[in-house]
Amino acid sequence: DQQVKQNSPSLSVQEGRISILNCDYTNSMFDYFLWYKKYPAEGPTFLISISSIKDKNEDGRFTVFLNKSAKHLSLHIVPSQPGDSAVYFCAASGRDTGNQFYFGTGTSLTVIP
Amino acid sequence: GAGVSQSPSNKVTEKGKDVELRCDPISGHTALYWYRQRLGQGLEFLIYFQGNSAPDKSGLPSDRFSAERTGESVSTLTIQRTQQEDSAVYLCASSLDRGYTFGSGTRLTVV
Repeated sequence: DQQVKQNSPSLSVQEGRISILNCDYTNSMFDYFLWYKKYPAEGPTFLISISSIKDKNEDGRFTVFLNKSAKHLSLHIVPSQPGDSAVYFCAASGRDTGNQFYFGTGTSLTVIP
Repeated sequence: GAGVSQSPSNKVTEKGKDVELRCDPISGHTALYWYRQRLGQGLEFLIYFQGNSAPDKSGLPSDRFSAERTGESVSTLTIQRTQQEDSAVYLCASSLDRGYTFGSGTRLTVV
């Protein structure tokens, strides 16, 4: 049972444009969400987080939006850079999940120079 | 250490052999997790250690998988009688509150 879903396995964007990565979840008890970025042969690295008391969190070129009623979050990268090319995972947890995070299957982003 | 360290980085083993994977978490991180990622799939939870509490083993796929952790330090994940479907990247993460720091993983290939 996939509680966190990333329905787009891949995305290609031109350098300088906006990248939008989407994530949907099913468990209404999730209250904390993160995005991780993963380069080949490396472990995932933390990118940005958002808690359910907010609907937006911004950090430089990265902004995460949370729509609790739709159980949907998205990561916006603007402007996109070639170094952003990586696999992006969203993850969700709730206080009732024992701090365990549920991960999506990832979206591979390619930023074309 | 500065980050989560995993060893070996790569392991090729014959079907039926046992393997042991090691994780050194960030010093002071009380929580330690093992995940695995098979080709084309998301991160799959395996086991969770929190301090001296009994570990959450609910994600272990079979009784061939076991893990130990000594206090709040090193953890080892053991896979007995490896099968080809065990081939994956095994990732360890440690945490103090919410959010993880991951190691670089061990790529296990069972031939």
